[in-house]
Amino acid sequence: AQSVTQPDIHITVSEGASLELRCNYSYGATPYLFWYVQSPGQGLQLLLKYFSGDTLVQGIKGFEAEFKRSQSSFNLRKPSVHWSDAAEYFCAVGARAGGFKTIFGAGTRLFVKA
Amino acid sequence: EAQVTQNPRYLITVTGKKLTVTCSQNMNHEYMSWYRQDPGLGLRQIYYSMNVEVTDKGDVPEGYKVSRKEKRNFPLILESPSPNQTSLYFCASRLPGQGRAFFGQGTRLTVV
Repeated sequence: AQSVTQPDIHITVSEGASLELRCNYSYGATPYLFWYVQSPGQGLQLLLKYFSGDTLVQGIKGFEAEFKRSQSSFNLRKPSVHWSDAAEYFCAVGARAGGFKTIFGAGTRLFVKA
Repeated sequence: EAQVTQNPRYLITVTGKKLTVTCSQNMNHEYMSWYRQDPGLGLRQIYYSMNVEVTDKGDVPEGYKVSRKEKRNFPLILESPSPNQTSLYFCASRLPGQGRAFFGQGTRLTVV
């Protein structure tokens, strides 16, 4: 069955500390992979995406993610967190071969301590 | 400006009173989709449309209807809303093969 797992419901980090949000997926083939961020009361904004090629992808706001096929993972990282990064983060997988089947994880809420 | 527009942003209604949430995109995208977001469950796909007059069920279609008479519009219809449809709803659109979806700002629906 296709699924996306974000094991951490919430994470708290200190401002300036590094961050890693975990994402594991189960899919029939290598899908498209995404990370979205949702600030309170806002819609979803795309942080970064992986389609093919280099497995380390750079996104906006200083985020990056690494696709590891052997682990079916697509973890999101940031070397130094800012207070404005406090939000909810969603990992998602989408079908390569047409259709609009996109599966989202349950989300990880990030809290940033001053 | 490229955007997906949902209306209304907030809606409180009573059980059984039919309602429609509109979604419009100005990017000429073929694909459009509706999601509901609930705490701890992430976003779940309700319905999607691959083009005009082509729609299909997502993961949680019960209690919802959609139509796609024009490329730009994809309304979500709740014929007889129930309290378990209280949720945050998002409309999204994209081009075929592009992967990345553009999301509306969301509609917070409360059914009492």
